[in-house]
Amino acid sequence: EAQVTQNPRYLITVTGKKLTVTCSQNMNHEYMSWYRQDPGLGLRQIYYSMNVEVTDKGDVPEGYKVSRKEKRNFPLILESPSPNQTSLYFCASSLSGEIHEQYFGPGTRLTVT
Amino acid sequence: QKEVEQNSGPLSVPEGAIASLNCTYSDRGSQSFFWYRQYSGKSPELIMFIYSNGDKEDGRFTAQLNKASQYVSLLIRDSQPSDSATYLCAVRAYAGKSTFGDGTTLTVKP
Repeated sequence: EAQVTQNPRYLITVTGKKLTVTCSQNMNHEYMSWYRQDPGLGLRQIYYSMNVEVTDKGDVPEGYKVSRKEKRNFPLILESPSPNQTSLYFCASSLSGEIHEQYFGPGTRLTVT
Repeated sequence: QKEVEQNSGPLSVPEGAIASLNCTYSDRGSQSFFWYRQYSGKSPELIMFIYSNGDKEDGRFTAQLNKASQYVSLLIRDSQPSDSATYLCAVRAYAGKSTFGDGTTLTVKP
């Protein structure tokens, strides 16, 4: 089954404790992206990757890191999480970064206390 | 001004009516336009995409694009209670950048 997977689905952590949210796709997509969604708001782009070893900042990159060492994986790293990073996070992938639709993972609900 | 703006909701229509969702965007270089449906707590799923000016129909859904006016809309005909969700307008401009509106919540009343 073609899909985007994220782990963990739910995470409660404390301020300053480094964490990684994994994202993997099995559709051989070139493009991958991370978004956060806060109540009443649409998705805001954190980082995206046009291809392996190529990443770029989205609209809200502060406090996040990413890497794209393999085509299928695009982990999101929070080196020192803070309460304002409490949010619902979505990973997405698409065939290309220009015109194709994105396929979304199931989401990771992160709470930082 | 937000890069992608959607008509403020919530929007409520009776079952069987036409629901009209609107979206404007600011970047004239935008190339592709998408409508996603999102149920509460779930991930967005694609409803329609459109690249060229004009109308595009898929079943009960019609997407309309007017690049001169920087406007894209989604019409849902014969609305059903199962259409009740938040609808997100998304715009892809230069390579990699993808911008979403805040969403419009639609309720279809039986």
